[in-house]
Amino acid sequence: AIQLTQSPSSLSASVGDRVTITCRASQGIRSALAWYQQKPGKAPKLLIYGVSTLESGVPSRFSGSGSGTDFTLTISSLQPEDFATYFCQQFHTPLTFGGGTKVEIK
Amino acid sequence: QVQLQESGPGLVKPSETLSLTCTVSGGSIRSGGFYWGWIRQPPGKGLEWIGSTSFTGNPYYMPSLTSRVTVSLDTSKNQFSLQLSSVTAADTALYYCARLLVGDSPRFDYWGQGRLVTVSS
Repeated sequence: AIQLTQSPSSLSASVGDRVTITCRASQGIRSALAWYQQKPGKAPKLLIYGVSTLESGVPSRFSGSGSGTDFTLTISSLQPEDFATYFCQQFHTPLTFGGGTKVEIK
Repeated sequence: QVQLQESGPGLVKPSETLSLTCTVSGGSIRSGGFYWGWIRQPPGKGLEWIGSTSFTGNPYYMPSLTSRVTVSLDTSKNQFSLQLSSVTAADTALYYCARLLVGDSPRFDYWGQGRLVTVSS
């Protein structure tokens, strides 16, 4: 199975900060990568798919990039509603998720 | 708007079978281009894909669970289900059902709210 390693596992940031989360795959996954946001007590919400395509309704401050084995989720200007846990996911069977990155208020 | 809703027992005894159902509204599980799947999340931990199936394709399962898991469709009720046999405390988790849109840019685009299942005697 392809392993996804997210870093950092947690971070503290302030409103307005630029935040970058990294997801590294144990082997190449082409463009089959998505990012989700999860808030406490809620189901994950799709943010980005195909590495960089923004899901409908997701604010443009979120962006994704990368290729091969290294991928990044960037929040250009952190907003209060963005404090949550973020997961990456790859779609080569068996499907796997990264371990998550918790974004907390500094 | 597609909606998914999990249902089933919240408490299962060790060695028994966990059974959950996901009811889909706003779309048909017979539609092409979609798989229907289950993902779980142990309390305070990350996400684990369990398995997915579709109306036109074969089911796929997480290898570590394949001997114990079945995901199947009930097209007459527009539902799909999860059965996980011989459960232990390690299977205690929040179980989500979700729609997997396949193709060049796959993604789980719709999720249920989750069903907490505790394995305990």
